[in-house]
Amino acid sequence: KQEVTQIPAALSVPEGENLVLNCSFTDSAIYNLQWFRQDPGKGLTSLLLIQSSQREQTSGRLNASLDKSSGRSTLYIAASQPGDSATYLCAVEGGGFKTIFGAGTRLFVKA
Amino acid sequence: EAQVTQNPRYLITVTGKKLTVTCSQNMNHEYMSWYRQDPGLGLRQIYYSMNVEVTDKGDVPEGYKVSRKEKRNFPLILESPSPNQTSLYFCATRGASEINEQFFGPGTRLTVL
Repeated sequence: KQEVTQIPAALSVPEGENLVLNCSFTDSAIYNLQWFRQDPGKGLTSLLLIQSSQREQTSGRLNASLDKSSGRSTLYIAASQPGDSATYLCAVEGGGFKTIFGAGTRLFVKA
Repeated sequence: EAQVTQNPRYLITVTGKKLTVTCSQNMNHEYMSWYRQDPGLGLRQIYYSMNVEVTDKGDVPEGYKVSRKEKRNFPLILESPSPNQTSLYFCATRGASEINEQFFGPGTRLTVL
């Protein structure tokens, strides 16, 4: 059974710092991996999707990588800003539309 | 505008009173899914549907029913709600290919007394 783990559970950094969020999964037979952002009490906003055949995706200050063989993905945030404060979730999609989420990393960027 | 709509957004009800949470999308997506989000447990998939009349169980289907009679709608039915179904519920959709992102609705906060 697929399990998804995110480390760290929480992170507090000063503004301007570059940071890395980690996501690991136990079953490498995935279709894709998607990173989301969730603000308190709100829905999920998609950040990046990496297909199983891809190694990385970039959008602005965000870069996500995928190493399927080792069951790992990282989300790199460059030059963090207070507006980046949120919970970041990774989700792994297997066969069909079956999706498993990690518990998330709560990020706080101090001004 | 591409949208995933959920209704109601907030609901307080009592144990055993049947309820339906609706989900509608205007993107002509094949795939639709329901999740619940609980503190400490994260998001867990309840049911998903790959097309009209095709549904399958996620990780936590007990106590829930779904139907997919039209492509745009995917209602979540709680026949006899219990307090342990108090949660934040999200509907999500995506296109047929796995290269497509999942889009989430705004959520429905359900409290069962």
